[in-house]
Amino acid sequence: GAGVSQSPRYKVAKRGQDVALRCDPISGHVSLFWYQQALGQGPEFLTYFQNEAQLDKSGLPSDRFFAERPEGSVSTLKIQRTQQEDSAVYLCASSLMAGWNSETQYFGPGTRLLVL
Amino acid sequence: QQQVKQSPQSLIVQKGGISIINCAYENTAFDYFPWYQQFPGKGPALLIAIRPDVSEKKEGRFTISFNKSAKQFSLHIMDSQPGDSATYFCAARSGGFKTIFGAGTRLFVKA
Repeated sequence: GAGVSQSPRYKVAKRGQDVALRCDPISGHVSLFWYQQALGQGPEFLTYFQNEAQLDKSGLPSDRFFAERPEGSVSTLKIQRTQQEDSAVYLCASSLMAGWNSETQYFGPGTRLLVL
Repeated sequence: QQQVKQSPQSLIVQKGGISIINCAYENTAFDYFPWYQQFPGKGPALLIAIRPDVSEKKEGRFTISFNKSAKQFSLHIMDSQPGDSATYFCAARSGGFKTIFGAGTRLFVKA
């Protein structure tokens, strides 16, 4: 079956522009995660959804970052007024179960964002 | 206390050799320790994982060794192959979903 897909795969934005990154999780997966991966580093947790509920957004770097999953499937990560330090790969992952049972996270290929 | 420290940063191993990557953590609330493999341009993929009530877990050529008292765990790749060349991340999770990743180890297996 289809895995996690993300679009666009690459995005170049001018500093100050708003961007929207899309994640299509595996169908039926309850949990959805967003991560930010800087060059040469491990992924850093941004936010977590259980169905449509955003249960943890403690990793979002600033109030310029906003994520939603209104119908409990597709999710969008929006970054307003992009800054150069926002340049990174943004990874989405989904998991079949919720909370403690969400052991296996399936990652998408990521969106590489470059802010000039 | 939320960090997971991973070493080495990079590793070169001859084909057929053993690759060993080490991780250490501080937070005793961590309850799940996965290892991920990432190829260039791809997202990480779960390789093998362990819970702290087990000291060792083996799946094929991959083994996790877990030392709860030392708060350390390691990945051993036996009979390393060129196709194993990738970046490996250890990770730790507490509270059911928030996963903390190490900085990664770039493994190169020489043919």
